[in-house]
Amino acid sequence: KNEVEQSPQNLTAQEGEFITINCSYSVGISALHWLQQHPGGGIVSLFMLSSGKKKHGRLIATINIQEKHSSLHITASHPRDSAVYICAVMDSNYQLIWGAGTKLIIKP
Amino acid sequence: KAGVTQTPRYLIKTRGQQVTLSCSPISGHRSVSWYQQTPGQGLQFLFEYFSETQRNKGNFPGRFSGRQFSNSRSEMNVSTLELGDSALYLCASSLGIDGYTFGSGTRLTVV
Repeated sequence: KNEVEQSPQNLTAQEGEFITINCSYSVGISALHWLQQHPGGGIVSLFMLSSGKKKHGRLIATINIQEKHSSLHITASHPRDSAVYICAVMDSNYQLIWGAGTKLIIKP
Repeated sequence: KAGVTQTPRYLIKTRGQQVTLSCSPISGHRSVSWYQQTPGQGLQFLFEYFSETQRNKGNFPGRFSGRQFSNSRSEMNVSTLELGDSALYLCASSLGIDGYTFGSGTRLTVV
């Protein structure tokens, strides 16, 4: 079993829909990261969370430390949000453990 | 502020050769991590350097090595290249408190 599990693996939605991507982990962590990777490889760090909730524009990330679960939400989704979203946790050895990613396609 | 700079952007090498990739972190960032991304394996952690010391290492063979200089710039070296080493190599720098900033990557093709 992977230490970081993301769901769904693939998600296709219509423009304007509310999107939720989930991440569950099984190890002790010091922080959880959500990253976005566009075609071509460029990776952008969206959030780093250790507790609670963070919001940036239309993106919201939450984490529940007790349940070892985090969610990334996108409100009013847009085709430019189409990308792979990756959850990664930092363990006690400062090593990032990656989820497999969620490929999101937003159709106009 | 300037971002993380990786050079070169693209590289083609033949089997058996060696390659050196460079990463210049954001000014003030002392942690530099290297990752390999392939379609089949996804993102895999190679190693992390902090203040010129390797702090962590992933499960890669000894052909993969790295170092960090006093100005925090880091290099990654792969010797005796194999076809399976073809991948996107990403570097990320971190101050620790504000997450990671990734470079655009070096796309290595081994032929």
